Amino acid sequence: DTGVSQNPRHKITKRGQNVTFRCDPISEHNRLYWYRQTLGQGPEFLTYFQNEAQLEKSRLLSDRFSAERPKGSFSTLEIQRTEQGDSAMYLCASSLRQGPNSEAFFGQGTRLTVV
Amino acid sequence: AQSVTQLGSHVSVSEGALVLLRCNYSSSVPPYLFWYVQYPNQGLQLLLKYTTGATLVKGINGFEAEFKKSETSFHLTKPSAHMSDAAEYFCAVSNLNVGNEKLTFGTGTRLTIIP
Repeated sequence: DTGVSQNPRHKITKRGQNVTFRCDPISEHNRLYWYRQTLGQGPEFLTYFQNEAQLEKSRLLSDRFSAERPKGSFSTLEIQRTEQGDSAMYLCASSLRQGPNSEAFFGQGTRLTVV
Repeated sequence: AQSVTQLGSHVSVSEGALVLLRCNYSSSVPPYLFWYVQYPNQGLQLLLKYTTGATLVKGINGFEAEFKKSETSFHLTKPSAHMSDAAEYFCAVSNLNVGNEKLTFGTGTRLTIIP
């Protein structure tokens, strides 16, 4: 399967610990997006990359959050000093920019629980 | 600025009955509109999208939606519900046509199918 892959699928961590998630986009997709989805809500945009450049960051992305895409392929999302409010599903998506025909393909997400 | 309102967080229909999920949007520029489906503990799958052209859009699994600019609506319908349609459905808007690719999602509608 060559879809968007996210690891780990589940992460339980203690408050105050750092966590890192990985996203492997579909091969050759140059755009990569991170969204956060809390229980009962729709996904909320966090940030996106075109190749290795981070083009936009949401105000939701506090100083404790950092995302990278060092070689324009996979991406990591790190949360430092986790808080209980960070508990959510973190979704990654990728797309190959083709204007109106562009479609974002989503991974299965990483569910973070902060205890 | 853009936003999406999904009326009805829970919708129940009998198997074989019409499915109607409501979505209204707000956008300062002509929008691109999407419907996604999410099964439990899964990522999002695109059902259909409207960018330009024909206002009645057909998608996968027998779903369709009609863009009505005068009503700022993009309701999702399916003539005959199937048990496998039980899932969470999200309407989303983007301003891709003006270079803003991020998706803004509604809060979702959980569809239950009654046997």
